[in-house]
Amino acid sequence: AQSVTQLDSHVSVSEGTPVLLRCNYSSSYSPSLFWYVQHPNKGLQLLLKYTSAATLVKGINGFEAEFKKSETSFHLTKPSAHMSDAAEYFCVVSEGAGNNRKLIWGLGTSLAVNP
Amino acid sequence: GAGVSQSPSNKVTEKGKDVELRCDPISGHTALYWYRQSLGQGLEFLIYFQGNSAPDKSGLPSDRFSAERTGGSVSTLTIQRTQQEDSAVYLCASRHNTDTQYFGPGTRLTVL
Repeated sequence: AQSVTQLDSHVSVSEGTPVLLRCNYSSSYSPSLFWYVQHPNKGLQLLLKYTSAATLVKGINGFEAEFKKSETSFHLTKPSAHMSDAAEYFCVVSEGAGNNRKLIWGLGTSLAVNP
Repeated sequence: GAGVSQSPSNKVTEKGKDVELRCDPISGHTALYWYRQSLGQGLEFLIYFQGNSAPDKSGLPSDRFSAERTGGSVSTLTIQRTQQEDSAVYLCASRHNTDTQYFGPGTRLTVL
C-alpha cells in the first residue's frame, strides 16, 4: 500500500531564502504525486502534480518539485521565500488506478516565513 | 465556472444531536470525496463516490457516519449522535477524469 512521509512537521525560513519541504513516499507502482497548499482559513489548493511525464514539475507561485524514483522522494522547493508562502503544505500520493483512485495524504509541513 | 461549494461553513451543535453537511461538486465531476481534518492533522479519508458505483465507505470511523449522493451530484454527510471527538473541518472534493481533486472550503464542525 502507498504511504507518504513528510519529514518535517515545521519549517521556518527567512524571506528571500530558499524553501525545501521534504516528502518521501512508498508505492508499489508508478505513482501520481501532488503538493497541496492550505493557507490559514482558506481551502486546499493544488500547487503541482507529477504524473509520469517530466520529473521536474513546475507549479504555481514559483514552486517546483522533483520526482526521484531512486530515492522515492518528491521534495518541494522554491528559490526565494515570500511572506505570502506561509501556510501548511501537504504531500499526497494517488492510490489505485482508473476510476478507483484515492489520495493518501502526508501529515503536513507548516511553513513559517520570517521578515 | 463555480468550484466546489460546501454548506454550512460553520456548524456548532450539542453532543448527541445529528448534523448534515452538504457538498455541491463541480458540475460534471463524476467522483466525490469526503475527508476530515482535525486540528493540526492531515486529511483523513472518509468516503468516496464514483459515478453509479457503490461508494467506498472504508474510511468512515463509525456507523454514526453516513453519506449519500443524489443524482450523481450533491452529496450529504450525516453524523448521528455527535460526539466531541467529531469536531473537525469536513472537506469535500470532486474529480473528473484526472487524478486532480478540487476541494471545497470545508465545514467547521464544533460539538459542545
